[in-house]
Amino acid sequence: ELKVEQNPLFLSMQEGKNYTIYCNYSTTSDRLYWYRQDPGKSLESLFVLLSNGAVKQEGRLMASLDTKARLSTLHITAAVHDLSATYFCAVDVRATSGTYKYIFGTGTRLKVLA
Amino acid sequence: DAGITQSPRHKVTETGTPVTLRCHQTENHRYMYWYRQDPGHGLRLIHYSYGVKDTDKGEVSDGYSVSRSKTEDFLLTLESATSSQTSVYFCATHSGRETQYFGPGTRLLVL
Repeated sequence: ELKVEQNPLFLSMQEGKNYTIYCNYSTTSDRLYWYRQDPGKSLESLFVLLSNGAVKQEGRLMASLDTKARLSTLHITAAVHDLSATYFCAVDVRATSGTYKYIFGTGTRLKVLA
Repeated sequence: DAGITQSPRHKVTETGTPVTLRCHQTENHRYMYWYRQDPGHGLRLIHYSYGVKDTDKGEVSDGYSVSRSKTEDFLLTLESATSSQTSVYFCATHSGRETQYFGPGTRLLVL
């Protein structure tokens, strides 16, 4: 069974602190996606990691991918309240139809405390 | 951002009634997906489409059917709604092997 696991599931952190969210997946995929979801809202794309060793950064968020370990990390630097949201990782797997299906992790709910 | 709309945005229905949710996109994307989101489960794929009239099942397809007669529209039908189908439903699209673009979601309550 294809699985995408995130940890932690819940994260409460102080402003200014650093932390890392982990995303492990069980299938061989060379691509990984990170999304952000604000409460009551839809998902928006944060990063697309296209290959082993890929690193992407935007503001206080940095994502990396290790396809050999089947692991991606989302590192938060000097957290601010505006980063409070739920973060999802996802991998794509080839379907029998030839297209790709996306498998999502259960999400990490981040709360940044002032 | 991709132009994706979902209708209705909120719906309350009774057990046993059929329900159809609509996803409409203006981006001419080939691929469209229906997910449901429930606490503790993340997003789970219900059905997806890889072209007009080309659809396939996802991991939680029981009790759901889909149709896609035009590139821009992807319909999700709950044949006979049950309380276990109370959820938030998201439509997503993309054009190639890339990130997905999500619609605003539909909150469905089955009483």
